[in-house]
Amino acid sequence: EAGVAQSPRYKIIEKRQSVAFWCNPISGHATLYWYQQILGQGPKLLIQFQNNGVVDDSQLPKDRFSAERLKGVDSTLKIQPAKLEDSAVYLCASSATQRGTEAFFGQGTRLTVV
Amino acid sequence: GQQVMQIPQYQHVQEGEDFTTYCNSSTTLSNIQWYKQRPGGHPVFLIQLVKSGEVKKQKRLTFQFGEAKKNSSLHITATQTTDVGTYFCAGTGNQFYFGTGTSLTVIP
Repeated sequence: EAGVAQSPRYKIIEKRQSVAFWCNPISGHATLYWYQQILGQGPKLLIQFQNNGVVDDSQLPKDRFSAERLKGVDSTLKIQPAKLEDSAVYLCASSATQRGTEAFFGQGTRLTVV
Repeated sequence: GQQVMQIPQYQHVQEGEDFTTYCNSSTTLSNIQWYKQRPGGHPVFLIQLVKSGEVKKQKRLTFQFGEAKKNSSLHITATQTTDVGTYFCAGTGNQFYFGTGTSLTVIP
């Protein structure tokens, strides 16, 4: 079974530029999560999808971050415009259901904003 | 919102010593999961606890879920260098929030 795929693995951009990350969850997983992990900290939930609907985006900085999950499968996370403090690893995870099942993580995208 | 705190933040132990990390939630949890993240890696699922007071063991690892379902602990007996990494608890209510993590260093 293929795992969660993310791309790109690394990205370096200048502040005020835009960037997009892509995630392909495990086939059949209804729930998809995007996390931001700053070095030395725990993953911070940005947004959670159940199929193609948003369950929780309370910690998503909506003035600059957006995410979508078209057709309830792949997802993209966009930052526009980026700030220096957005430098982090962006992790995508998926799980079979909304509650009570393990989350499988992708390798993450390491974003550096200079 | 839901907050999940872990202590200690860092722990250095000699190989062979025991290690414990504690997880505390500000709200009652439906269940709790534990993950391990190796340096440079991504979180990997270890176990899930569902019932109040539940205790589960995986070889040298023992996981407990508190009676009030607001706290949990992970205990490693006789640590090995392969145990190095950051251990996160993750509380599931309606959403899925990670704790602050405990970084374990094992000195050979």
